[in-house]
Amino acid sequence: EPEVTQTPSHQVTQMGQEVILRCVPISNHLYFYWYRQILGQKVEFLVSFYNNEISEKSEIFDDQFSVERPDGSNFTLKIRSTKLEDSAMYFCASRTTMGDTEAFFGQGTRLTVV
Amino acid sequence: GESVGLHLPTLSVQEGDNSIINCAYSNSASDYFIWYKQESGKGPQFIIDIRSNMDKRQGQRVTVLLNKTVKHLSLQIAATQPGDSAVYFCAEKNQAGTALIFGKGTTLSVSS
Repeated sequence: EPEVTQTPSHQVTQMGQEVILRCVPISNHLYFYWYRQILGQKVEFLVSFYNNEISEKSEIFDDQFSVERPDGSNFTLKIRSTKLEDSAMYFCASRTTMGDTEAFFGQGTRLTVV
Repeated sequence: GESVGLHLPTLSVQEGDNSIINCAYSNSASDYFIWYKQESGKGPQFIIDIRSNMDKRQGQRVTVLLNKTVKHLSLQIAATQPGDSAVYFCAEKNQAGTALIFGKGTTLSVSS
């Protein structure tokens, strides 16, 4: 069964450092998302991406965040200068259409900022 | 604004019992809802969805009920099994239709 894959599974980084989280969405999907989940809290929307551009972003997705689809298969989330409060699980998701279809989630990357 | 929430943060049941997990939403214009299951250390996994033109939808051992009058959504799990232990989230499509907005989650614990 096709799945969304994310790497690494766990990333530890120093405060102020840049991190890149990587995702390979399901191959025939067209819409891509990043969500984050702070420990014990709900899953929060960060950004959606379609046709090589951001279609929507939340208040969380400030100038420190960026996304890219560099090669037609990978979908990355970059945090330019990490803060302690960026520590969370980051989930990538993809879906086939914008309509009423579910999004498929990856297993997540646990980011720990120290 | 948009918000989706659940009534209870935790629910404990015995194996074989039926479980009911509830969710309240605030956006009366919402027209699509999903229930996700999240096991420890994993990403959310799709369980079942429902569109606003329906009141009820059944899957394998799961049923979702939608009451648009009171903006309430519920997930019923029949004959709950230990493998059902997880956090359950309801989610709704945002106003722009570009993303899913999640509620806080209910932790279901099933004891045998």
